[in-house]
Amino acid sequence: GNSVTQMEGPVTLSEEAFLTINCTYTATGYPSLFWYVQYPGEGLQLLLKATKADDKGSNKGFEATYRKETTSFHLEKGSVQVSDSAVYFCALSEGGSYIPTFGRGTSLIVHP
Amino acid sequence: DAGITQSPRHKVTETGTPVTLRCHQTENHRYMYWYRQDPGHGLRLIHYSYGVKDTDKGEVSDGYSVSRSKTEDFLLTLESATSSQTSVYFCAISEASGRGETQYFGPGTRLLVL
Repeated sequence: GNSVTQMEGPVTLSEEAFLTINCTYTATGYPSLFWYVQYPGEGLQLLLKATKADDKGSNKGFEATYRKETTSFHLEKGSVQVSDSAVYFCALSEGGSYIPTFGRGTSLIVHP
Repeated sequence: DAGITQSPRHKVTETGTPVTLRCHQTENHRYMYWYRQDPGHGLRLIHYSYGVKDTDKGEVSDGYSVSRSKTEDFLLTLESATSSQTSVYFCAISEASGRGETQYFGPGTRLLVL
């Protein structure tokens, strides 16, 4: 079956630091890959996605590149802000399957 | 923002009582889902629906039932609540393009079973 593994948190950074949250996946087919973000007290919302190999998803300064050869989709941001403090979920969804697979989430805490 | 609402947003109930949570969408999306979120477990799928009156079980369906009589509404029922069902419950929706679906989540319902 499919699976998503992401680094355990919390990840604690100072403002303006560089962020990487690792995500690797196992899939039987050729999935689309997603990063969702959950701010405190809210539901998940899509941060970015990529649908094919070598695609780069980007939004709000965050980026992730679909690496088929390493089955990875690592999330990066060059300079984090306190407002980026949230839980980040990596996920995959295969075409024709309507049940996505989520990682367990990584908590990010950014200090001023 | 996707038009998804959940009600109630907070509920405290006692063990053994029935509880129904409601999810309402205005997007006319075919698929609807119920998840629970607990520390250390991430998101776990309870039930999902792929159309009116068409539902199926997820990985943690024991103790839960669902109904979908209209496209826009998806109800989750705890027939006899237990303390282990204390959790945050999220509804989600997605289209059915068949090309790897983005999910859109509601704001969540915090349920405390005493």
